[in-house]
Amino acid sequence: DIQMTQSPSTLSASVGDRVTITCRASQSISIWLAWYQQKPGKAPKLLIQKASNLEGGVPSRFSGSGSGTEFTLTINSLQPDDFATYYCQQYDSYWTFGQGTKVEIK
Amino acid sequence: EVQLVESGGGLVQPGGSLRLSCAVSGFTVSSNYMSWVRQAPGTGLEWVSIFYTGGSTYYADSVKGRFTISRDNSKNTLYLQMNSLRVEDTAIYHCARSTSGPAAFDLWGQGTVVTVSS
Repeated sequence: DIQMTQSPSTLSASVGDRVTITCRASQSISIWLAWYQQKPGKAPKLLIQKASNLEGGVPSRFSGSGSGTEFTLTINSLQPDDFATYYCQQYDSYWTFGQGTKVEIK
Repeated sequence: EVQLVESGGGLVQPGGSLRLSCAVSGFTVSSNYMSWVRQAPGTGLEWVSIFYTGGSTYYADSVKGRFTISRDNSKNTLYLQMNSLRVEDTAIYHCARSTSGPAAFDLWGQGTVVTVSS
């Protein structure tokens, strides 16, 4: 099974900050990686797929990069609506999620 | 409107059974890859099962042999039959869509709560 490890688990930031979340796969997954945003009591929302492809309607301040085993999600100029939990997911072999990164207000 | 609406959750004793439903609107369930994903209280997301367009089904090891995924094309609905439930199956169960398989999940339902407790 492919394991996904996110870091950090919690991230404290201020509006306007640039934040980066890292996701590592236990084996190469090429570019088969997605990023989701989840707010309390809500379903996850797909932000990025194929490591760097932004979903329609997702603000351009979100970006993804990486391939193989190392991936990053970057949020440029953090906005109030961005405080949430973010998950990475591999879909190279079945589907596995990272444990999540909570972005909280500093 | 394109949406997924889950139902069927509830409180059940260990060893019991439940059947979850996911009503699909705005698109055809048979033309998409449909999954169940669960989220235990305060924890992350775990993929549970998927139904491919061609009829193939796959399961996470944690539920294999106990859960069965199915769909009713006439009702445009996805199901998850859960048998031999365990305390560790307690979670919010979401259905989710991917337009090809394997792929990311581009549409999610709000979920239905399953609690397994004596």
